[in-house]
Order: sequence, then C-alpha cells, then structure tokens
Amino acid sequence: AQTVTQSQPEMSVQEAETVTLSCTYDTSESDYYLFWYKQPPSRQMILVIRQEAYKQQNATENRFSVNFQKAAKSFSLKISDSQLGDAAMYFCAYRSPFAPNSGYALNFGKGTSLLVTP
Amino acid sequence: EAGVAQSPRYKIIEKRQSVAFWCNPISGHATLYWYQQILGQGPKLLIQFQNNGVVDDSQLPKDRFSAERLKGVDSTLKIQPAKLEDSAVYLCASSLPATVTKKMYEQYFGPGTRLTVT
Repeated sequence: AQTVTQSQPEMSVQEAETVTLSCTYDTSESDYYLFWYKQPPSRQMILVIRQEAYKQQNATENRFSVNFQKAAKSFSLKISDSQLGDAAMYFCAYRSPFAPNSGYALNFGKGTSLLVTP
Repeated sequence: EAGVAQSPRYKIIEKRQSVAFWCNPISGHATLYWYQQILGQGPKLLIQFQNNGVVDDSQLPKDRFSAERLKGVDSTLKIQPAKLEDSAVYLCASSLPATVTKKMYEQYFGPGTRLTVT
C-alpha cells in the first residue's frame, strides 16, 4: 500500500509571508494523482490543489503552488502571501490511477497544522 | 449546488451501545466514500460504494461496522457495539464515478460526524 508522510506536525508563518509544507510518498506506480486538502476547525475537507503524476508542470492555484519531484517522490505545497484564513490542518493525499472494479480512495498523510500569525 | 450532507454533527454514546450515521451525497454522484479520522491522523477509508454496490470495504471492521446505500443515493454507516477506539470523526465524501477515459473527479467531503465513545 502507498504511504504518505508529512514530517512537519506544525508550522507557523506570519501574515503575508510564504510557507512551504512538505510531503513525501512511497509508491511503485508510475501514474497517480496527488492532492493537498485543507481542513479548518469546521472539519470540512477542502481541495486546495492537485497534480497528475504524468504532468511535468507544477500545478498552481492562485497563492498555492506545488513543487512536484517525481523521482524523489516529493510533493510540497507553497503558500504565498499567507492570510489568517489559511490557518488549518493541511493533508497531503495520494490516489492510485483508474483500475476497473477497484477503489479510488484517497490515502492521506497525518497532516500539518498551519498557524498564521498577524 | 448543495454539498454533501451528514447527520448528526455530534454524537456521544457509551461503549457497547450502537450508533448510526447518515450521509446524503451531491446529486448525481454515483460514488460514495466513508472515511474514519482519528484525532491527530489523516482520514482512512472504511468503505466505498459505486451506486448501491460495494467497491472496497477491505478496511471496514465487519464484526462491528456495517454500511448500506439503498437505491444508490443516501448511505448509512452503523457501529454495533461501539468501542472506545471508535471515537473519531466520520467523514462522508462523494464524487462522479471514474470512467474508462481515466478522468479523475474530485471528491467532495461533508462536514463529518464527531463520535465520542465513553
């Protein structure tokens, strides 16, 4: 089974600054999908950004971007111009490619708690 | 568009009692997931449905957990009898089904049910 590791239990960033959250994963598959989800205290998981492994270009969504290093099996999230509303748990997740009659469940890391200070 | 609905939001029970959680997915989403999120960890898949059929229930503790999705819409997750270690947030998610085109659809999560077993 694929494992996802987030080595930073907590991170802190000042408002307007940039922070990078780390994620590594272990897989023998060549094609897969990677995600970053945000979970605020309300518990609702919100998709932040996703990356298809076959795409070499790093995904970007407004202030959020990733650094995808396929050979190193690394998938870090960079948050630029941090805002107070970015404070939440951030989860890195892996999903296997399409396979008939199999599950497409997300395999999550343990999460990184991001604190944003004024 | 209405999101994934779950109820109740909170539940406190004593060990050995039974409990049931309800999920209503986004209209038109054939795939439904139940995840268990223990405090300090990422969500872990319990069961996945495609319409009213089970795709993956390999991590469902079948001696005490059961789930159904009658008519391929709403789903119910039941625990009987509950143990202390079942204390967790139970998340329901839904998505459009994967197809042979390999298009990957986003999973949308509900607000979760926080279960406390005393």
